[in-house]
Amino acid sequence: SAVISQKPSRDICQRGTSLTIQCQVDSQVTMMFWYRQQPGQSLTLIATANQGSEATYESGFVIDKFPISRPNLTFSTLTVSNMSPEDSSIYLCSVGGQLGDTQYFGPGTRLTVL
Amino acid sequence: KNEVEQSPQNLTAQEGEFITINCSYSVGISALHWLQQHPGGGIVSLFMLSSGKKKHGRLIATINIQEKHSSLHITASHPRDSAVYICAVKVSRSRLTFGEGTQLTVNP
Repeated sequence: SAVISQKPSRDICQRGTSLTIQCQVDSQVTMMFWYRQQPGQSLTLIATANQGSEATYESGFVIDKFPISRPNLTFSTLTVSNMSPEDSSIYLCSVGGQLGDTQYFGPGTRLTVL
Repeated sequence: KNEVEQSPQNLTAQEGEFITINCSYSVGISALHWLQQHPGGGIVSLFMLSSGKKKHGRLIATINIQEKHSSLHITASHPRDSAVYICAVKVSRSRLTFGEGTQLTVNP
């Protein structure tokens, strides 16, 4: 199994600022995933973060807006840049992804942009 | 049309009732997950299925690969089961596609 922690758990930010969300896993994992869940909606994959290589972004998400770091096999950060109210969401990191593996999710970061 | 469709979107039940949530998908998958999300936002994986049926406590999940359909059943429902239940399918080594979720409310 994997235990995932995220920081911060929630934040309220001003338009135009940036927030970096941290994700820590208690075991080494190859792939880490960042998801966004907008109010009332299901999860959308932002990007896949692999250690030692650039993150792979999904359609509609770009590195300038959501830069990701993956310095080692247990840690990743997602930055939400130049925030607007439309970025108000829950951001979740997740691990798993090998065929047949259970998927584990962090507790989420609830972001409100004013 | 979404690749993953769940029904119903909202479900209200009385404590003790048998509950069924359905998930249909339109793509080839390697596995299907049932997830539970509580109001705080945290998500817990309940089941990962690639065939057949799994049971954990009062929860049962089934999948029919030929019909591209899965169901999550809760027996003897309890107010603490109130949550959003999400079906997600694994379409590649890394990618999960999620349903919209089913909001379950169990009243005492």
